[in-house]
Amino acid sequence: GENVEQHPSTLSVQEGDSAVIKCTYSDSASNYFPWYKQELGKRPQLIIDIRSNVGEKKDQRIAVTLNKTAKHFSLHITETQPEDSAVYFCAASPQGAQKLVFGQGTRLTINP
Amino acid sequence: NAGVTQTPKFQVLKTGQSMTLQCAQDMNHNSMYWYRQDPGMGLRLIYYSASEGTTDKGEVPNGYNVSRLNKREFSLRLESAAPSQTSVYFCASSLAGSSYEQYFGPGTRLTVT
Repeated sequence: GENVEQHPSTLSVQEGDSAVIKCTYSDSASNYFPWYKQELGKRPQLIIDIRSNVGEKKDQRIAVTLNKTAKHFSLHITETQPEDSAVYFCAASPQGAQKLVFGQGTRLTINP
Repeated sequence: NAGVTQTPKFQVLKTGQSMTLQCAQDMNHNSMYWYRQDPGMGLRLIYYSASEGTTDKGEVPNGYNVSRLNKREFSLRLESAAPSQTSVYFCASSLAGSSYEQYFGPGTRLTVT
């Protein structure tokens, strides 16, 4: 079955700097890769996603890149702000499967 | 729209007790999911229902049962609670399967003593 590894587990950056979180997946048939953000005590919420027919997707300060050959994808946050502090989860969905497999999460802290 | 709702928000059980976690969505979604979240373990899928009338096991189904009561409701039952089931439980729904955005409920914090 699919296995998703996420790194780093914790990340601390200065406000205004960029943050990068990386995930690798094992099933080459996976074709959908979402990223969820979970603020302390809140529910996870989708922030961006990418499908396997696209190499990169941007939404304002957030971007996701996908390398199908290497089976990894990354979340990039530029010009970080205090409200970016949260736990971020990557996930992968194998083609034909009806479920997501999540990574272990990255706790991102933005230092003022 | 309320989105995805869960009851209860908090629950404390003694080992061996049973309980049912309730989940409902008002977005006319076909697929529903139950996850548990433990520190450092991410979100692990317990059971899911791709469409009304179907249920399937996820990554960690042991000790749980589910019922897709209708298109709106998906319940999770613990027949004989164990301390290892202490966790935060999230219900989620999506329009049609895992290639669509999943909307999560607010979660249930369960402690088993």
